[in-house]
Order: sequence, then structure tokens, then C-alpha cells
Amino acid sequence: ETGVTQSPTHLIKTRGQQVTLRCSSQSGHNTVSWYQQALGQGPQFIFQYYREEENGRGNFPPRFSGLQFPNYSSELNVNALELDDSALYLCASSFRRGSYNEQFFGPGTRLTVL
Amino acid sequence: DQQVKQNSPSLSVQEGRISILNCDYTNSMFDYFLWYKKYPAEGPTFLISISSIKDKNEDGRFTVFLNKSAKHLSLHIVPSQPGDSAVYFCAASANRQGAQKLVFGQGTRLTINP
Repeated sequence: ETGVTQSPTHLIKTRGQQVTLRCSSQSGHNTVSWYQQALGQGPQFIFQYYREEENGRGNFPPRFSGLQFPNYSSELNVNALELDDSALYLCASSFRRGSYNEQFFGPGTRLTVL
Repeated sequence: DQQVKQNSPSLSVQEGRISILNCDYTNSMFDYFLWYKKYPAEGPTFLISISSIKDKNEDGRFTVFLNKSAKHLSLHIVPSQPGDSAVYFCAASANRQGAQKLVFGQGTRLTINP
């Protein structure tokens, strides 16, 4: 069983640029969530995708957008990068069954905005 | 608005003794709670969870206790081992339609001393 993978591992961008981060979900999982983890903080929910549709969103501006593909992999896009976007971006996959699910995380992409 | 709080940024415990990590929450809609462990350069790893209909859940060396009236949960690790040294995150979610959004605490860094 393949776990959650993310690419790239590290990324350096400058303010105002755009970035795309990628995530492959764990085999059999149909739901992908994205989280932002700033230094010294816990992960913060950005949004979730279920069957290729956005299924809920946290308190992040519209310049944070995403996609989910038919194979359940996902992308996170961030436009007009700001210095405060520097963080670890985590992708988590899960299988929606009933009301509860454990989310399984990838290793993350470390984004640095200069 | 920090809905999930881990008030101890760090904890140091002797190998073989009990480690107790604490977490408080404010949102009474939360009904499912999880603990994750995170090593450097890795994503959070799911450890154990508990539903609000229970007050205790045990898995090997790990036990989670939930006190709904106090809106408090704790993770007990017995006996503590050097490999348990990591950052531990408490997370909570609410049973509702839509995204299974996890709300995380800030984390507690646990160090097990030989």
C-alpha cells in the first residue's frame, strides 16, 4: 500500500510569483485535504476535495486554490505569493466512510517566499 | 480564536516512565479527537483517536482519555521509549455535513531521556 506522497520537497519563490504543489493520495482514498503549518504552529486547514469537488474551506483567501483529479491526486495553487505564505504545506488523504475518518499525511512541501 | 490548545510547548520524561500530554478545546461541537506524532522532515503520523461517546481508548502503550465536561483530553504513553521523542499534536473535528476538517493544537515537543 503506497502512502501519501508530495512534490516537490522544497521550493523557493519570490513575492508575487505563483506556485503549484502536488499530492498523490494513499491507495483507496478518495478525499484530499490541504493544511498549512507555519513555524511553531499546528497545521491549519486550507480546503478539502472529495470526488474532484471542493468540499469545505478554511480561512484562506481565494488566491489559494486547488484541484482534484479522477485518480484522486491533487494540486494546491497559490497566486501572488506573500512572505507570510512561507510554511510547510501538508496534504492528507482519507476515505470517507460515515462521519469519521483518520487523515493520513504526506511529508509536506517546504515553501520559502523571499 | 484558538479552539484547540496545547499549553505545554515541551515535556521531558525519563525513559520507562509515563508521559502525559494534555489538550484543551473550546468548541462543544467537536465530537472526534485524534493524536498525531510528528518527526522532523516527516508528515504527522496518526496515533490514536477517540469519539465523544467514549471516555477512554487504549492501543498498546498509548491511551487517550476524554473529559467532555472539562473539554479536556490527554494522551498517556506507558512506558515511554526514546523513539517516542517527537512533536505531538492534538486535533479535533465536528460531525457535520461537508469537510472533515481537523483543527490542530500548537503541539508539544516530547523528549524521552535515557
